[in-house]
Amino acid sequence: AQSVAQPEDQVNVAEGNPLTVKCTYSVSGNPYLFWYVQYPNRGLQFLLKYITGDNLVKGSYGFEAEFNKSQTSFHLKKPSALVSDSALYFCAVRDEDTGGFKTIFGAGTRLFVKA
Amino acid sequence: GAGVSQSPSNKVTEKGKDVELRCDPISGHTALYWYRQRLGQGLEFLIYFQGNSAPDKSGLPSDRFSAERTGESVSTLTIQRTQQEDSAVYLCASSLENYEQYFGPGTRLTVT
Repeated sequence: AQSVAQPEDQVNVAEGNPLTVKCTYSVSGNPYLFWYVQYPNRGLQFLLKYITGDNLVKGSYGFEAEFNKSQTSFHLKKPSALVSDSALYFCAVRDEDTGGFKTIFGAGTRLFVKA
Repeated sequence: GAGVSQSPSNKVTEKGKDVELRCDPISGHTALYWYRQRLGQGLEFLIYFQGNSAPDKSGLPSDRFSAERTGESVSTLTIQRTQQEDSAVYLCASSLENYEQYFGPGTRLTVT
């Protein structure tokens, strides 16, 4: 069965500094990996995904993530954080080989960006 | 175009009553998902539908929970004999094949 771990409940970063939100996964087959963001009083929004190809994927709002197969990680990064990036971030995984469309989400990491 | 819509946006019910939650996916999306999000927690997978395939019900927490989908259109999630632990936001999402999911605004269920 697939699983996702987001080891940090909360990440604090100063505006203008780089940010990283960590995600590790476990699947039997090939992973499809996703990052979503949930702003206060707004719905979940897709940020980026890794399906195949380049390990570094770029997404919305200047975010990017690197797929690392050997470390089974898919950390979310941004070179320069904005106060408006403060939100709840979820990593999600599908096991393409065994899990069909079933998608498992991590517990979420709350990002605080301080001005 | 229109996004995923859910109704009602809020539902307060008494313990033991049945509730029905509705989801209208984005037109043309073949896959539809239901999740539960308890306060301050992550998303818990409940069920997904994909085309004409049998739904994956592996996440439904008990036999009080059931869901139906009409073709590639509307879905309803039914919770029978509601319990206080059922209180949560129920999120619906739809997607094309292996693409990203688009989420609705959710239904906030409160069981008193």
